[in-house]
Amino acid sequence: SQQGEEDPQALSIQEGENATMNCSYKTSINNLQWYRQNSGRGLVHLILIRSNEREKHSGRLRVTLDTSKKSSSLLITASRAADTASYFCATEGSGSRLTFGEGTQLTVNP
Amino acid sequence: DTAVSQTPKYLVTQMGNDKSIKCEQNLGHDTMYWYKQDSKKFLKIMFSYNNKELIINETVPNRFSPKSPDKAHLNLHINSLELGDSAVYFCASSHSATSDTQYFGPGTRLTVL
Repeated sequence: SQQGEEDPQALSIQEGENATMNCSYKTSINNLQWYRQNSGRGLVHLILIRSNEREKHSGRLRVTLDTSKKSSSLLITASRAADTASYFCATEGSGSRLTFGEGTQLTVNP
Repeated sequence: DTAVSQTPKYLVTQMGNDKSIKCEQNLGHDTMYWYKQDSKKFLKIMFSYNNKELIINETVPNRFSPKSPDKAHLNLHINSLELGDSAVYFCASSHSATSDTQYFGPGTRLTVL
């Protein structure tokens, strides 16, 4: 299986609810990043968390990193219809290359 | 004022043809990348250049040849196109090659018939 696997593959919620997406990886990392991709568009960087950090916030986003479990979660609070997109985690390991997971498709219903 | 731009946005061509995709960034970044996103949305790095020098060259058929005339441009030339080359190709850039946010272009959807 791939480095940076997201779970679930698809998530459908109502506006105002919180959305949680998880990412697991296999090898040691320098940092882990989350990106959003709207349909037909390029990826947009959301947040970067370094391997020595455990939690990071940015607006309605909260990211956690557990290096002992090799996992990360992205929480979007008070979701909006505009949050509908695919969300990818990407790990940066040795060689400074990003390895992307397969993404979680989030649908926020108005 | 587009940060990372790619042309063309759509490319439809016949098998066996040769085509190029161009990428330009106006962010002053040192590092640029090419990614391929398949129909299942899986995104895989193909190449990376830092200051016009190739630093990442994944297992990609040698029909794919990147060229960086200067650090603001990274073009991708594909020879003898095959059906399996159909995908969305994304260019990206970052300030440096290490531990940095990557900024993506809008993508080029390549369809090989």
